[in-house]
Amino acid sequence: EDQVTQSPEALRLQEGESSSLNCSYTVSGLRGLFWYRQDPGKGPEFLFTLYSAGEEKEKERLKATLTKKESFLHITAPKPEDSATYLCAATSGTYKYIFGTGTRLKVLA
Amino acid sequence: DTEVTQTPKHLVMGMTNKKSLKCEQHMGHRAMYWYKQKAKKPPELMFVYSYEKLSINESVPSRFSPECPNSSLLNLHLHALQPEDSALYLCASSQNRQMNTEAFFGQGTRLTVV
Repeated sequence: EDQVTQSPEALRLQEGESSSLNCSYTVSGLRGLFWYRQDPGKGPEFLFTLYSAGEEKEKERLKATLTKKESFLHITAPKPEDSATYLCAATSGTYKYIFGTGTRLKVLA
Repeated sequence: DTEVTQTPKHLVMGMTNKKSLKCEQHMGHRAMYWYKQKAKKPPELMFVYSYEKLSINESVPSRFSPECPNSSLLNLHLHALQPEDSALYLCASSQNRQMNTEAFFGQGTRLTVV
């Protein structure tokens, strides 16, 4: 069965303290690996799409990478406004985006 | 423009009421989705529309009735809901059902059933 697991469940960082979020996936025939940011009470905001192992994408303080088994979202020198829940999702040949349970990130000033 | 617009933002309804949620996108996407999200949980797929036809119903109770009037609009009709149906309802769209492109989500409708 296709599955996506995220860790840690929650993460507290000091402002400027870099870290990484993990997304492990077991998906037959990966079509895409997606990262989203979600603020409380709002819809997920698209961040990155990754398609093949070795691929990397960057946006401001965020960098997403992909291997054959997992994806990482690296956050460099985070700021309080980076506080949110970060979701990853994978797709295969089926019709749904398979979401992980998310990492709740809190960045303290 | 990668915007998906949902209305209303908040909705409180009684268990005997009938209401509708609306979703609109102008990205030319041909796949549209309804998701339900409970607190601290990931979005849970309810329905998939592909080229304006319902292609997937994830065994959703009949008190939820989707409708796709045209390629830009998606509605979710609600009737005789239960308090446990209170949740954030999200609409999303993607280029197609090939699942190799990202989905864009609306800001959601926070539904409270009393």
